Formats: sequence, C-alpha cells, structure tokens
Amino acid sequence: DAGVIQSPRHEVTEMGQEVTLRCKPISGHNSLFWYRQTMMRGLELLIYFNNNVPIDDSGMPEDRFSAKMPNASFSTLKIQPSEPRDSAVYFCASSLWGDTQYFGPGTRLTVL
Amino acid sequence: RKEVEQDPGPFNVPEGATVAFNCTYSNSASQSFFWYRQDCRKEPKLLMSVYSSGNEDGRFTAQLNRASQYISLLIRDSKLSDSATYLCVVNIRNDYKLSFGAGTTVTVRA
Repeated sequence: DAGVIQSPRHEVTEMGQEVTLRCKPISGHNSLFWYRQTMMRGLELLIYFNNNVPIDDSGMPEDRFSAKMPNASFSTLKIQPSEPRDSAVYFCASSLWGDTQYFGPGTRLTVL
Repeated sequence: RKEVEQDPGPFNVPEGATVAFNCTYSNSASQSFFWYRQDCRKEPKLLMSVYSSGNEDGRFTAQLNRASQYISLLIRDSKLSDSATYLCVVNIRNDYKLSFGAGTTVTVRA
C-alpha cells in the first residue's frame, strides 16, 4: 500500500519567493496534519483537517502560511513570502479518526 | 511544564545490551500513548502503541504507569539497527492532537 506521499522532497528557494508543498494522504484516511520540525522546536503541529475541513490552524505561524485541502486525496501548504526562518522539514501525516498518525517522507525546505 | 518530556540522551550502548528510558506526560486523563521511531533525516514511524497492561513487540517492551504519569520503552538485545531517536507521543486531551516529546537518542555500537 502507498503511504503518505509528499512533494517536493527538497526545496531550496530565496527569501520572498512563494513555496507550495504538496501532500497525498493514505487512501481512506479522513484526518490530515501538517507539521514542521526543527532542531530547536522539535515537531510542531501547524494545521489539522478532518474530512477536508480545517479544524485547528492555531499552529500556523502567521498569515504568510496557508493550507488547503480541496479533496480527500490532496492538500497543499503554501508559504508566501518565504523567510529564512521558515527553513525546516515539513511533514504531512494522515490518520483514520485522528489517532495513530502515519507520516510522509517530508519536504526539506531551505530558504536562502 | 511541557506536555510530554523525555530524557534526550544520548544513550550509547553496545550491541546486545538492554536500554530503557522514560517519558512523562502532563495530563493524568490522557488515554492514548505511543512510541514512534525517527531515523536521521527520515519521518517518524510508529513503533508501538502503549497499552495499560504493558505490551511487548519482539525485543521492545512498553509500560504505562498512570499513577506517576510516565511511559517507558525497553529494548532488549540491542541491534545496530536500533540506533535512532525514539519519540514519546501522547494524545494529551484525548482528541485529534498528538503531543510529541523531543525524543531520546539511542546509539548502539558494535
């Protein structure tokens, strides 16, 4: 079975540019999570969707970050404009009914 | 106080040794507990759930102590491939949101 799929796996961009990260959750899962991981702060939950509806976006750092889930098989996390402090690994995870979560391979973002 | 706290280690152990470490959590009403494993530059992966009565999965044993609000992970007969960071994960408020500890690093040497 395919796990959670994320793209791109690596992204290097310059400050001020728009960045879009993509995620395809496991088929049949109804919950989707976006996380950010850094050495300093560990894993932080950015936003949680249930049945394609954003339920909790309290972890989104600021208005530069936005996330969408237009259907059950696709979600995006957008950063516009990007800043060097956004450099991190961004993980997407999915679950059925929000308990055990399965993570994608992550997108390693570097903002120069 | 952090919701989930772990000893960061590192624990450096020889192959074949037993290593154990704990994690404490803040909410006594929490019901779901997990250990995830994260290899360097990889995603976290579920290692095992932790049940009230304790449970084993091969060389791995997880225990839950509700009175003292901690869970533990014990690895017997350590292998080189057990080298990783082990994340303690708790569903603190029994909702959708998992709280992750900062991780305990284990290095098994030949």
